[in-house]
Amino acid sequence: DGGITQSPKYLFRKEGQNVTLSCEQNLNHDAMYWYRQDPGQGLRLIYYSQIVNDFQKGDIAEGYSVSREKKESFPLTVTSAQKNPTAFYLCASSIDAGPRQPQHFGDGTRLSIL
Amino acid sequence: DQQVKQNSPSLSVQEGRISILNCDYTNSMFDYFLWYKKYPAEGPTFLISISSIKDKNEDGRFTVFLNKSAKHLSLHIVPSQPGDSAVYFCAASDYNQFYFGTGTSLTVIP
Repeated sequence: DGGITQSPKYLFRKEGQNVTLSCEQNLNHDAMYWYRQDPGQGLRLIYYSQIVNDFQKGDIAEGYSVSREKKESFPLTVTSAQKNPTAFYLCASSIDAGPRQPQHFGDGTRLSIL
Repeated sequence: DQQVKQNSPSLSVQEGRISILNCDYTNSMFDYFLWYKKYPAEGPTFLISISSIKDKNEDGRFTVFLNKSAKHLSLHIVPSQPGDSAVYFCAASDYNQFYFGTGTSLTVIP
């Protein structure tokens, strides 16, 4: 069954700690994305990757880092530089990064500060 | 600055009636629009899309209308079913990325 798997579903972070959110897809999609959702706001793009070993900053990349070493995987690290990390994080993928390709989403990771 | 807006946070409709969800946008460069549906504890799933060269696209019970002059699109669900109860997001593309609205929570009352 093809899809996108995000783990963990819930994550707690201590002050000053880096955490990594996992995103794996078996859809053979080239493009992958990370979004952040806050209450009362739409999804905001953090980073995206059009192809392996390449990624681009989105609108709110500060305090985050990503890697794309494998086509299937696009982990997001929330660093200690991100001052307001509490949010719902969604990973998505699409066949390619074309502007008419619908994105397929994972079920999300909710990150909270301890 | 929210370029895609869904001004109604929630909507309740009786089963069998029409549900109309609305979305407004500000950027005239947007040329492709989508609707996503999201159930609790799940990610959004793609529902229907429309290109700016069209003003209507229909898929079964779901129809999306685009009014470019008003920068407005709407999603019609006819007839509404209890299983349609979910949060609906509209999104718009400017050839670089998608911009998402804040979502409208639809409740279909049996």
